[in-house]
Amino acid sequence: DAKTTQPPSMDCAEGRAANLPCNHSTISGNEYVYWYRQIHSQGPQYIIHGLKNNETNEMASLIITEDRKSSTLILPHATLRDTAVYYCITLYTGRRALTFGSGTRLQVQP
Amino acid sequence: EPEVTQTPSHQVTQMGQEVILRCVPISNHLYFYWYRQILGQKVEFLVSFYNNEISEKSEIFDDQFSVERPDGSNFTLKIRSTKLEDSAMYFCASSEPDSLGDTQYFGPGTRLTVL
Repeated sequence: DAKTTQPPSMDCAEGRAANLPCNHSTISGNEYVYWYRQIHSQGPQYIIHGLKNNETNEMASLIITEDRKSSTLILPHATLRDTAVYYCITLYTGRRALTFGSGTRLQVQP
Repeated sequence: EPEVTQTPSHQVTQMGQEVILRCVPISNHLYFYWYRQILGQKVEFLVSFYNNEISEKSEIFDDQFSVERPDGSNFTLKIRSTKLEDSAMYFCASSEPDSLGDTQYFGPGTRLTVL
């Protein structure tokens, strides 16, 4: 699976959009990009994933660049409950083991 | 909404004792996983399980560990002889892979403390 690089921490004002970047420059054509988050010591929570196209669900939007070397997770209206560590993970089709890095610690400020 | 459940939430044991951590995956899921997270460290993959056998395991998952699906609902992780370094949060996950990928859903975790 491709190595991912994320900033260690970010701040965001409550109600504003949080844009979390991820670099995965060595990603291959059959690797998905997944985003999970972990609130305090709880189990990781799935947010969204994509292969080539931008994706949106009720939690977030995922923007993948055309060359697929980077992506951005967008939380459109961050709340205090979105304070968590956010993980960007790539995964080959057919592989199962998620490799968690250090992620980005997002602090939503009131 | 269906969710993965784990019991107990906290397990304290003496070094050298056997422990069994239990998980109830989401009912229609076919793949099951165990991960662990030592305090302050990254979440680490241990093992994946499909069709009643291990499909993938990490270097951490040595002979001290075993997994089992004893019935149609439970999925267990056994640590045969616990060591101090086994103290960690253990997360169970399950998934139902489809053409859109393999989204894993995690349980709340069991905190294992080895004394």
